[in-house]
Amino acid sequence: RKEVEQDPGPFNVPEGATVAFNCTYSNSASQSFFWYRQDCRKEPKLLMSVYSSGNEDGRFTAQLNRASQYISLLIRDSKLSDSATYLCVVNGAANFNKFYFGSGTKLNVKP
Amino acid sequence: EPEVTQTPSHQVTQMGQEVILRCVPISNHLYFYWYRQILGQKVEFLVSFYNNEISEKSEIFDDQFSVERPDGSNFTLKIRSTKLEDSAMYFCASSDSETKNIQYFGAGTRLSVL
Repeated sequence: RKEVEQDPGPFNVPEGATVAFNCTYSNSASQSFFWYRQDCRKEPKLLMSVYSSGNEDGRFTAQLNRASQYISLLIRDSKLSDSATYLCVVNGAANFNKFYFGSGTKLNVKP
Repeated sequence: EPEVTQTPSHQVTQMGQEVILRCVPISNHLYFYWYRQILGQKVEFLVSFYNNEISEKSEIFDDQFSVERPDGSNFTLKIRSTKLEDSAMYFCASSDSETKNIQYFGAGTRLSVL
């Protein structure tokens, strides 16, 4: 089983739509969770950390479900500039300084 | 805004040659990382480095790879004898504390092995 799994998409949505991505992780002892975005041939950029209580940053909301071992990202009022690949990142359980990336979920926001 | 810088942006080398990829992490950061991303594939962890030693490495990081922090600012990845399958984008990242684990990435070095 892969350490981190994501639906590759693509998710094709119109501007203004709400879209949600999920990511599952295999190790229940993982402690750190993140969403990064990656534009084509660019470096990953931190979108947000994911906390146990859930957290929101503007149009973006992240949730962590430890019992089911998944994290989610909700994007409201999608903008054209949100088009990117969204990467789920989880650290290893015993290896807190080792990180696993999902393959990413591609989002295309259309006018 | 502080950033991680990587040089060169593109490195072309012949199979069997040694390459050194260079990174300047954010100045007050203490944890350093190398990742690679083969075209069309996911980002893969290679190694993390703290307090002048490797703290974690992946199975990809075999004997042909090494890392070094030769001075107070640079963090390098050396590949001793490059193979065709080493062709990838190599990203350096740094973070300022283990508890936060928030990593900031450089723009990457594209390595092409011919």
